[in-house]
Amino acid sequence: GAGVSQSPSNKVTEKGKDVELRCDPISGHTALYWYRQSLGQGLEFLIYFQGNSAPDKSGLPSDRFSAERTGGSVSTLTIQRTQQEDSAVYLCASSLAQGGGNTIYFGEGSWLTVV
Amino acid sequence: EDQVTQSPEALRLQEGESSSLNCSYTVSGLRGLFWYRQDPGKGPEFLFTLYSAGEEKEKERLKATLTKKESFLHITAPKPEDSATYLCAVRRNTGFQKLVFGTGTRLLVSP
Repeated sequence: GAGVSQSPSNKVTEKGKDVELRCDPISGHTALYWYRQSLGQGLEFLIYFQGNSAPDKSGLPSDRFSAERTGGSVSTLTIQRTQQEDSAVYLCASSLAQGGGNTIYFGEGSWLTVV
Repeated sequence: EDQVTQSPEALRLQEGESSSLNCSYTVSGLRGLFWYRQDPGKGPEFLFTLYSAGEEKEKERLKATLTKKESFLHITAPKPEDSATYLCAVRRNTGFQKLVFGTGTRLLVSP
């Protein structure tokens, strides 16, 4: 596609429910990132995928968070047993490859509200 | 640990009033410093990448500069459409090269 596509754009869920957020990166981009942006905060790194390598999960805040990337393309971020502090914008980004000056392009984000 | 500090947190300018935004950073080996623009309700939009001290890049009314400790985003004769949050991020040249972001500067340009 022309840009990074994320869905849903908005999600309201009840505390304790599971949610899935989807990211479709730019065609041909092998690197995919998930970031979280809470109100008034900077972007917080969550997880990174590069090709067929094992993902870097060092930014995931708890074991309720997980992500997968199927076929080296689409990625799904899953939050289990959501809590109110999970309310944030979840941003997906992609680039040609890790490293160097490869620009990281962001999607419009998925706005998650846990009530 | 890599750190990025942006100042001021918020800046209000009159149309045509030039100013600069600051991004101070500490990183163990800089691979690149990135500037993004973020409009409300949108994802960050890439502006510039700077790689080494002394480098400058320009785009319309924006010019980004880099030293060994900080970067400046100069805005010349801003217009109301330049109103946005400007984000700075760094990428190290060793290990996993994620972007580490600052909290941004909210710019409001009044007509």
